[in-house]
Amino acid sequence: EVQLVESGGGLVQPGGSLRLSCAASGFTFSSYSMSWVRQAPGKGLESVANIKQDGNENFYVDSVKGRFTISRDNAKNSVYLQMNSLRAEDTAVYYCAKGFGAIWGQGTLVTVSS
Amino acid sequence: EIVLTQSPATLSLSPGERATLSCRASQSVSSYLDWYQQKPGQAPRLLIYDASNRATGIPARFSGSGSGTDFTLTISSLEPEDFVVYYCQQHSNWPHSFGQGTKLEIK
Repeated sequence: EVQLVESGGGLVQPGGSLRLSCAASGFTFSSYSMSWVRQAPGKGLESVANIKQDGNENFYVDSVKGRFTISRDNAKNSVYLQMNSLRAEDTAVYYCAKGFGAIWGQGTLVTVSS
Repeated sequence: EIVLTQSPATLSLSPGERATLSCRASQSVSSYLDWYQQKPGQAPRLLIYDASNRATGIPARFSGSGSGTDFTLTISSLEPEDFVVYYCQQHSNWPHSFGQGTKLEIK
């Protein structure tokens, strides 16, 4: 069974950092790009970051450039999102997705508040 | 950034009726357009990829069409579980933008 499981969300103060993890199983992880997509409470979906299969090419939405870093470890079948200098507007459920969205995890909630 | 505009924002229909949802792109995305369904409290689920291909396990009542800038998701005969939110997404250019969603509600 193809599965993605996110972890690492929580409550953080503005300016703080969090590292999200996504563990993949049930498919050849190294053959697929991976994405992080977020959804603010009651709002729509926003693509945050994408990483190519070998990890050598990354993409970020403008609002997180310079603050967030996507990475992957193909040996551990995992993708990560390091989030620094967090702002209130980063509050959302963060989903990891296989490719552009073929399969999604259950999401992890990040709340940025003092 | 490519902007996707979905219409209508809310669609009120009855079970058994046909639903037609629209997604318009601000510039051509070729056929790189996907449709997702999202139920309350759940992650989105891929319905249609590359404009017209049903994802694995998706019922035949769901179909997609279009290319370039205009796309349509059609649900041929609505079931009670179909009354949720639908999003389109383009993966032609980064960022892979989403439409704002169409909520399908029971009339």
